Amino acid sequence: QSALTQPPSASGSPGQSVTISCTGSSSDVGGYRYVSWYQHHPGKAPKLMIFEVSQRPSGVPDRFSGSKSANTASLTVSGLQAEDEADYYCSSYAGDGKFVFGTGTKVTVL
Amino acid sequence: QVQLVESGGGEVQPGRSLRLSCEASGFDFTSFAMHWVRQAPGKGLEWLSVISFDGDKQYHADSVNGRFSVSREDSKKTLYLQINGLTADDTAVYWCARDRSSGDSSGFLAHWGQGTLVTVSS
Repeated sequence: QSALTQPPSASGSPGQSVTISCTGSSSDVGGYRYVSWYQHHPGKAPKLMIFEVSQRPSGVPDRFSGSKSANTASLTVSGLQAEDEADYYCSSYAGDGKFVFGTGTKVTVL
Repeated sequence: QVQLVESGGGEVQPGRSLRLSCEASGFDFTSFAMHWVRQAPGKGLEWLSVISFDGDKQYHADSVNGRFSVSREDSKKTLYLQINGLTADDTAVYWCARDRSSGDSSGFLAHWGQGTLVTVSS
């Protein structure tokens, strides 16, 4: 049950796009559609942004999109806005009833 | 609306035990799996535990298995996390969270509490 691997940081100018990867294995990301993404502003509770690989909860802007290929999931934020600056975490079912988060990516809007 | 309120955090000495609580309101508590997640200072999110909607199944992260125990008391709409043998590495903000949909857990944590801080220090 090792943490999923994410790049420590990503950045883009307002209006640009940024894509964050989340790499696991066939035992987690690659084996299930139970992949989700969370936005976390320090001092606040994390917020679910994407569930089931690519589904958006109501209220989440369509600028946020998710995908998966083999053992790697991705989150793309299009049309970056200042309020998108936050930490982002992926999560996946890891089998045997357990779940695992990614290492986290700090997104900076330049 | 869905509300989750954690309590029970504070400063505790190494080796001691602590029980965190999470009081739920605004939804049918008996229909949803519930989770615990923590974040140590300067670290990322760590999934800790899940308990099924009916309380029959509990799962814990390998890193805390044996020291952490999750339970629920449906009559009080309250989720618990018992932590034994506390160490400095357990210093963190602890959140309870609810699955997005009722039934078996999907791990899609759509609702979170505000978190409770546990500090382990002598």
